[in-house]
Amino acid sequence: EVQLVESGGGLVQPGGSLRLSCAASGFTFSTYWMHWARQAPGQGLVWVSRIKTDGSYTNYADSVKGRFTISRDNAKNTLYMQMNSLRAEDTAVYYCANSRSSGYLDSWGQGTLVTVSS
Amino acid sequence: EIVLTQSPGTLSLSPGERVTLSCRASQSVSSNYLAWYQQKPGQAPRLLIYDASSRATGIPDRFSGSGSGTDFTLTISRLEPEDFAVYYCQQYGSSLITFGQGTRLEIK
Repeated sequence: EVQLVESGGGLVQPGGSLRLSCAASGFTFSTYWMHWARQAPGQGLVWVSRIKTDGSYTNYADSVKGRFTISRDNAKNTLYMQMNSLRAEDTAVYYCANSRSSGYLDSWGQGTLVTVSS
Repeated sequence: EIVLTQSPGTLSLSPGERVTLSCRASQSVSSNYLAWYQQKPGQAPRLLIYDASSRATGIPDRFSGSGSGTDFTLTISRLEPEDFAVYYCQQYGSSLITFGQGTRLEIK
């Protein structure tokens, strides 16, 4: 059974940093693209970033480009998102998801809440 | 960036009815790379349809997707009580992936 477990969320002040992790199990992590998506309270889904199987390709939504960095450790079956220069509008539940292709999101974790507030 | 517009915003229907949800793209979606997701309150989204018309593993056959270019639909042939949720479309034909704003399906 596929399991994706996000961690690292919490309360952070504007301008601060957080690193999210996503521990994966139940599938061959190194053969899947991985994504982060987010959902602000009461709002819709927003795609944030993706990373290729070997980490050689990444891309980002314009709203986070230059501030967020996606990475992965295939030896540890773990996906990361380093979030810097956080803003109030980054407040959301952050989901990780796997993808057999580069695009659609097969399985999702339960999410971790990031709150940016002073 | 491809903008996806879903309609209607909210739909009130009864179990057993047939429903069609619409997703319109601001430009053609390459290779019809369009997916549909279902999300229930307090839960993560679940993949229903990918590549516009392929059902994901374990999805009942009452769910079907169709369309091409800029116009796509998700049809639920006979609504079950567990189908009342929010539905999102998503395109992955361009480097910037985008979601629609969602359609909420409510029990009438």
